[in-house]
Amino acid sequence: GQNIDQPTEMTATEGAIVQINCTYQTSGFNGLFWYQQHAGEAPTFLSYNVLDGLEEKGRFSSFLSRSKGYSYLLLKELQMKDSASYLCAVSPTPESGNTPLVFGKGTRLSVIA
Amino acid sequence: GAVVSQHPSRVICKSGTSVKIECRSLDFQATTMFWYRQFPKQSLMLMATSNEGSKATYEQGVEKDKFLINHASLTLSTLTVTSAHPEDSSFYICSGQGTGLMHEQYFGPGTRLTVT
Repeated sequence: GQNIDQPTEMTATEGAIVQINCTYQTSGFNGLFWYQQHAGEAPTFLSYNVLDGLEEKGRFSSFLSRSKGYSYLLLKELQMKDSASYLCAVSPTPESGNTPLVFGKGTRLSVIA
Repeated sequence: GAVVSQHPSRVICKSGTSVKIECRSLDFQATTMFWYRQFPKQSLMLMATSNEGSKATYEQGVEKDKFLINHASLTLSTLTVTSAHPEDSSFYICSGQGTGLMHEQYFGPGTRLTVT
């Protein structure tokens, strides 16, 4: 089966750092994605990890450990506009053709002043 | 990144009528498109996978006769909600997937459907 777990909600202070964790158990693995989704809008791509380690992109970084089935998204210097849902998604090994990403339920982050 | 458009962005229809939602990949060829539904404060729910030129594959519990999907070209997929009811009111999002190794999905902006 496919299962992705991430916390339902988190709250952090403006200017601080927050880490959103994601664990996964999937039938295969072809990469892990993080998406940001503001209320009433579609998800937008943040990061992609397929090898172990940390990928840094500005204020956002994403980490992957394939042996542990674990990833985290790190947000630095939080801004109010970062208040959104963050979706962890895994690309399972395709059996044939393209297969959909498996999404977690998302973590709703609230940034407070 | 690649761009996917959806039309309309919002639609209000009466119960019993049908509504068509278009999803277009503007600058890449989407061999596969996915249709999702999302209720308020809930996660994305995959409804169906469509490959260009073939029949869509529906997820368990999704009625294929109610949610008609057509993927006639590499840049256009349509979802028709037939005989809509108030419980079909939701946020419908499509995504296109290219043929690159990353298998990234590019999401459209979504369509807010309200059935009265």
